[in-house]
Amino acid sequence: EPEVTQTPSHQVTQMGQEVILRCVPISNHLYFYWYRQILGQKVEFLVSFYNNEISEKSEIFDDQFSVERPDGSNFTLKIRSTKLEDSAMYFCASSEGQGGTTDTQYFGPGTRLTVL
Amino acid sequence: GDSVTQMEGPVTLSEEAFLTINCTYTATGYPSLFWYVQYPGEGLQLLLKATKADDKGSNKGFEATYRKETTSFHLEKGSVQVSDSAVYFCALCGLSYNTDKLIFGTGTRLQVFP
Repeated sequence: EPEVTQTPSHQVTQMGQEVILRCVPISNHLYFYWYRQILGQKVEFLVSFYNNEISEKSEIFDDQFSVERPDGSNFTLKIRSTKLEDSAMYFCASSEGQGGTTDTQYFGPGTRLTVL
Repeated sequence: GDSVTQMEGPVTLSEEAFLTINCTYTATGYPSLFWYVQYPGEGLQLLLKATKADDKGSNKGFEATYRKETTSFHLEKGSVQVSDSAVYFCALCGLSYNTDKLIFGTGTRLQVFP
């Protein structure tokens, strides 16, 4: 069964450093998402991406964050200058692209980001 | 704003016990409702969903009914197994025009003992 994959599973970085989290969505999916979960808190939406551009972003997704689909398979989240409060589990998701509210989003296993 | 509220965990049950995990939501419009499950060390997996009022989603013995009048989507299972031990997330989608982001509850950890 096709699945969303994410690398690395755990990333440790120093405050102020740039990190890139990588995701390979399911191959025929058209919509891509990033969510994050700070330890003990809710899973929060960060950004959605369709047709090579951001379709929606949350207040969390400030200028320090960017997303890219550099080729036909990868979808990346970049944090330019990490802060301690960026420590969280980051989930990538994708959906087929029927659009609308009934589309199912399929999630990857997550990347745990630890900022020291 | 729009939100999802779940009962706090952990929920601890013996095998074959009846499970209910409460979920209520606040939303404008007519959202779709989901239950996701996260097994240890894995990502979020869709368990079931319902897209309109009175719909019942079901999968692997779990059920939830979309109740618009009580704005609820409680998860139930008649007889839990040890393998059901996981974290369960209630979520909604489709609160406003041109958005398909999911809004999650805090998650409820279920522990089932033999």
